[in-house]
Amino acid sequence: NAGVTQTPKFQVLKTGQSMTLQCAQDMNHNSMYWYRQDPGMGLRLIYYSASEGTTDKGEVPNGYNVSRLNKREFSLRLESAAPSQTSVYFCASSMQGDGSPLHFGNGTRLTVT
Amino acid sequence: AQRVTQPEKLLSVFKGAPVELKCNYSYSGSPELFWYVQYSRQRLQLLLRHISRESIKGFTADLNKGETSFHLKKPFAQEEDSAMYYCALWGYQKVTFGTGTKLQVIP
Repeated sequence: NAGVTQTPKFQVLKTGQSMTLQCAQDMNHNSMYWYRQDPGMGLRLIYYSASEGTTDKGEVPNGYNVSRLNKREFSLRLESAAPSQTSVYFCASSMQGDGSPLHFGNGTRLTVT
Repeated sequence: AQRVTQPEKLLSVFKGAPVELKCNYSYSGSPELFWYVQYSRQRLQLLLRHISRESIKGFTADLNKGETSFHLKKPFAQEEDSAMYYCALWGYQKVTFGTGTKLQVIP
């Protein structure tokens, strides 16, 4: 089992460019999440999907969009990248939104110049 | 609203010394609390959860509802414990993390 797989691992964008971060899980989990990790800020929730077909904003959703493509896949899109979006992005999944532990991907390190 | 506070950004201890990583939370319901650990260049992974009341790698954490705390403790620090530790709270279908504490164990 691969668990949670994120692509790409690294990405450099110029201001204004767009890109999509991909995330897939093979654990048959219902809930999926996108976090960003910044020094001194910890992990902040961008968007989450409690179940297939639903998505909700987290703490810092501005500048991002998400798609829960199916039960396995949850993508994060930056429509017009800004330097403030330079961060490490983590995708996570859990069995369901009731206190189940999160399983994380390896992260995507994004730099916006 | 739910909130998790980890007051220390960095905690340095000598090998063999006791460790206590502090975590306080704010939540109106009955909390589900976790500790996650991130070793250098690795993904975050679950260390322990309060509901299981188990000890993992010598670490324990007790939920104190009166003080709204969930501090992580280990009696004797090891060099391999050096990592970033995050306290997390489950509530309203999502997990809120603290800002993390970097534990540095000095040989």
